[in-house]
Amino acid sequence: RKEVEQDPGPFNVPEGATVAFNCTYSNSASQSFFWYRQDCRKEPKLLMSVYSSGNEDGRFTAQLNRASQYISLLIRDSKLSDSATYLCVVPSGNTPLVFGKGTRLSVIA
Amino acid sequence: DTAVSQTPKYLVTQMGNDKSIKCEQNLGHDTMYWYKQDSKKFLKIMFSYNNKELIINETVPNRFSPKSPDKAHLNLHINSLELGDSAVYFCASSVRRFGELFFGEGSRLTVL
Repeated sequence: RKEVEQDPGPFNVPEGATVAFNCTYSNSASQSFFWYRQDCRKEPKLLMSVYSSGNEDGRFTAQLNRASQYISLLIRDSKLSDSATYLCVVPSGNTPLVFGKGTRLSVIA
Repeated sequence: DTAVSQTPKYLVTQMGNDKSIKCEQNLGHDTMYWYKQDSKKFLKIMFSYNNKELIINETVPNRFSPKSPDKAHLNLHINSLELGDSAVYFCASSVRRFGELFFGEGSRLTVL
């Protein structure tokens, strides 16, 4: 299994839809996880941190499943402005944060 | 008052040239990084410094040489540029080793 794997998408969803992305990781010792958002031709920015079973922030919910070694990101009531690439990030032992290749989301009017 | 700033934002140069990218952070963070994002958008760690000390060097060719004069600055010098070096190079910093990353806006390097 690769260190961090994500479905590249693209996910094309209508406004108002609920969409979920999964990210699997290989290092069972990882304790903290992050979702970053990257807009086209911009730098990645932190969206959510996940330290225990999950985290919720408004329309965004991140959940962690340690047994199956995946984290998910759920976006409710999608907005046009949610269109971006979502990067799953997992610390891996003594190395810096390892980024997944990202899942591209397009929210369509 | 940008938190992590990189210069230049764009760089177009010929193969074989030597170029540098500079990065500064005003967040008071101890750890800084260089990431490379290639045309397939894969973001990969290159180097990490903690308080001016190199802690990570991820199998990067030795044509790439980072330098950290102090913990607020991390520069990247590239010798003998090759076509495959074309990418966006992101500088980042974090409060502690491998914590939440704050990225600069990126430096887009094009080698002709």
